[in-house]
Amino acid sequence: AQSVTQLDSQVPVFEEAPVELRCNYSSSVSVYLFWYVQYPNQGLQLLLKYLSGSTLVKGINGFEAEFNKSQTSFHLRKPSVHISDTAEYFCAVSEGGSGNTGKLIFGQGTTLQVKP
Amino acid sequence: NAGVMQNPRHLVRRRGQEARLRCSPMKGHSHVYWYRQLPEEGLKFMVYLQKENIIDESGMPKERFSAEFPKEGPSILRIQQVVRGDSAAYFCASSPRTGGGLYEQYFGPGTRLTVT
Repeated sequence: AQSVTQLDSQVPVFEEAPVELRCNYSSSVSVYLFWYVQYPNQGLQLLLKYLSGSTLVKGINGFEAEFNKSQTSFHLRKPSVHISDTAEYFCAVSEGGSGNTGKLIFGQGTTLQVKP
Repeated sequence: NAGVMQNPRHLVRRRGQEARLRCSPMKGHSHVYWYRQLPEEGLKFMVYLQKENIIDESGMPKERFSAEFPKEGPSILRIQQVVRGDSAAYFCASSPRTGGGLYEQYFGPGTRLTVT
């Protein structure tokens, strides 16, 4: 069975500092990987996804993530954060290949708190 | 192009009542997913439906919960005889499951169910 672990429940960081949100997954099959952001009382918005190809994926709002198959990780990074990046971030996996139904398995979430 | 719509946004039910949550997918999307977000937890997959078909209900509780996506109209998640433990945010996501959107899900704003 697939699972996702987000190693930090909260990440406080000062504005304009770099940030990394960690995500590890386990799966016996190939996977597709996603990062979503959730602002208070809103739904989830897709930041970026990895399906295949280049392991460095760029997304919206200046975020990027790197897929590392050997370490089964998909960490999210931003070189300089803004106050508006304060939100909950979710890492998710979906089973790859012909068996894919699109069902997402989510991590517990990481709260990014950007301080002025 | 309107996004995924969910209503009501907030729903209060007494124990033992029924809750009906509605989800209208994005235009052109015929695939719907339901997820539940319990307090202090990440999102958990519940069910995946296509028009008139349940494809994967592996995340649905065995009793009291049901879902449908009729040929016409919104998808409905029904919870019968609600209990306090059903209090959560319920999110719907839709997908075209074709072309460039094959692996993308677009989330609605959620319905926050409170059981008193």
